Amino acid sequence: TQLLEQSPQFLSIQEGENLTVYCNSSSVFSSLQWYRQEPGEGPVLLVTVVTGGEVKKLKRLTFQFGDARKDSSLHITAAQPGDTGLYLCAGNDYKLSFGAGTTVTVRA
Amino acid sequence: SAVISQKPSRDICQRGTSLTIQCQVDSQVTMMFWYRQQPGQSLTLIATANQGSEATYESGFVIDKFPISRPNLTFSTLTVSNMSPEDSSIYLCSGGGQSEQYFGPGTRLTVT
Repeated sequence: TQLLEQSPQFLSIQEGENLTVYCNSSSVFSSLQWYRQEPGEGPVLLVTVVTGGEVKKLKRLTFQFGDARKDSSLHITAAQPGDTGLYLCAGNDYKLSFGAGTTVTVRA
Repeated sequence: SAVISQKPSRDICQRGTSLTIQCQVDSQVTMMFWYRQQPGQSLTLIATANQGSEATYESGFVIDKFPISRPNLTFSTLTVSNMSPEDSSIYLCSGGGQSEQYFGPGTRLTVT
């Protein structure tokens, strides 16, 4: 049983458009993390959210954590081809439980 | 941060054989883990590699099939034993502390 549900599974957009990826958990973890993975590489940590209602920004990326600490979203503004990759959310309770992932393709 | 390297980066193996994957961290880390990933899909945790003691396996993974060693705080190995085509996958290790994990580039295994 997947503890974390991600949507959508696939997302293809034109350069300059915005996108949002969602992550919903059936459990509350100590923290929730977002990773980005490119082909042939391991996942790279983008952000860790801990507190309910938290909002974090990383350049054009905005991460929100729901008040109940079960849902999160990743919003990318003015997407660029370099944003292409597999985006994964993960619940962290000393070990990571990953969502199914969202494959994002940004077309030039 | 920590830099994780894995060897080999890829291999093609015959069914029934075994392959040992090495994971090296450039600094001492508290925790190391092994994952399996199908291309384009998510990561599934195989086990926690415990330094100086037996690994802790997740449901569906057993020590006889995936023996793991962790002799110190910077190194671990995963062996995929008696391989079958169903074991074809990408195997990744990670290392870090409780709040942050760093991942190796993965080992792409193909079993024929």
